[in-house]
Amino acid sequence: DIQMTQSPSSLSASVGDRVTITCRASQRISSYLNWYQQKPGKAPKLLIYAASSLQSGVPSRFSGSGSGTDFTLTISNLQPEDFATYYCQQSYTTPITFGQGTRLEIK
Amino acid sequence: QVQLVESGGGVVQPGRSLRLSCAASGFTFSVYGMHWVRQAPGKGLEWVAFISYDGSNKYYADSVKGRFTISRDNSKNTLYLQMNSLRAEDTAMYYCAEGCETCHSDYWGQGTLVTVSS
Repeated sequence: DIQMTQSPSSLSASVGDRVTITCRASQRISSYLNWYQQKPGKAPKLLIYAASSLQSGVPSRFSGSGSGTDFTLTISNLQPEDFATYYCQQSYTTPITFGQGTRLEIK
Repeated sequence: QVQLVESGGGVVQPGRSLRLSCAASGFTFSVYGMHWVRQAPGKGLEWVAFISYDGSNKYYADSVKGRFTISRDNSKNTLYLQMNSLRAEDTAMYYCAEGCETCHSDYWGQGTLVTVSS
C-alpha cells in the first residue's frame, strides 16, 4: 500500500498568513494527488485535484504543487473560514490512501 | 444539484450485520464509480471500498475485505455497503462519494454513523 505522510500534523497561524502543508507518498504517484478540507461535523470538501488543479468554486488563495512523491498545499492570505483540517489523498492505485491530516488552528 | 444521502447507520452489536445505503440524485449515477470512505471518531479518513459504474470492478481495504460488500442498483440510483461480522473498530461515520477508480471525489454525502458496541 502507498503510505501518505503529511506534515505538520497541526499548525497555528493568523488571519492573513501564508501557510504550506506538505504531503509525501511512499512511492511515485505521478500527479494523482488530491487535497480536501474538512470542518467539524461536515463531509470533506475537494480543494485541489491532480496535484495542482483548483476545484471549481474554491478560492484562488488555495494552490497545490508537486509530482512524483512530494506535494504541497499552500494557502495564501488565510481567512477565518480556512481554519479546518486538511487531508491529502492518493488516487494512483487502490487501496486509495489518505494522509493523517493537518489541523490548522487560529493563533 | 448533486445529492448523496446516506442512511442505514445505527448501533449494532459486535458480530452482527448492517446495510448502508446511499441515494444519489442530480447526476447520471449509472456512469460514475462510487466509493465508501469512513472516519472513526476523532480520527482521519479511511477509504473502505470502490465500485465501478457498472458494478463489474470492486476493490476493498484490507481491513474490511471478506466482511464488507459494496454493490449498486443503477435502476434505483442507489449504492450499498453490506457490513457483516462487525467489530468495534468499524465504529465510524461512513460517507459515500462519487469518483472513478483513480479520480478525486467531487461530491460526498453527509455521512451515516455506525456504532458497534455491546
